[in-house]
Amino acid sequence: QVTLRESGPALVKPTQTLTLTCTFSGFALSTSTMCVTWIRQPPGKALEWLARIDWDDEKYYSTSLKTRLTISKDTSKNQVVLTMTNMDPVDTASYYCARIRRLQSGSYIDFWGLGTLVTVSS
Amino acid sequence: QTVVTQEPSLTVSPGGTVTLTCASSTGAVTSGYSPNWFQQKPGQAPRALIYTTSNRHSWTPARFSGSLLGGKAALTLSGVQPEDEAEYYCLLYYGGAGVFGGGTKLTVL
Repeated sequence: QVTLRESGPALVKPTQTLTLTCTFSGFALSTSTMCVTWIRQPPGKALEWLARIDWDDEKYYSTSLKTRLTISKDTSKNQVVLTMTNMDPVDTASYYCARIRRLQSGSYIDFWGLGTLVTVSS
Repeated sequence: QTVVTQEPSLTVSPGGTVTLTCASSTGAVTSGYSPNWFQQKPGQAPRALIYTTSNRHSWTPARFSGSLLGGKAALTLSGVQPEDEAEYYCLLYYGGAGVFGGGTKLTVL
């Protein structure tokens, strides 16, 4: 049974750095084809893809946010960490992590976490 | 900046058929973009429906189908049920990085 759970601060101040952790079970990120991605959704708005890390440590970032994002993994803890620097009120959103399967035929998300709401305010 | 475009809203009658589309600002969508489709209901996390253009997940009802149509990715719902009222998002991959569409709000009326 695959599960993912996001954790991190509910409130951050402008200019601070946000650190979010995705803790997962039911699969190993050291196994071929396994990847984890981060996605966010501002209240009432659309989903926005942020970053992804693959089993072979390949990393991909959103073009518009890549200067502010860092993704990393700790396979021994079954965790993926996302950091976002210089937070702004427009970064207020629910942040989701999800599992990606990377196959020869393409990549796809199958399982999602429940998300965690992060508010940026002084 | 790559933009993925979906219809903002569509309305369908119960039992009817509706097609949602997903276009890329870079040109025609092909299977190489690994089109994914997701359903999201208010207050819930998204749920995966379709992957790599036309494959259903084990939990996806058969009334949902994916395809390529006129240079776009498409999601067709046949025999729409009231519980299909939701927001639908497509996701395309560009060299490993993903871009979501703006979502389609589907109303069943």
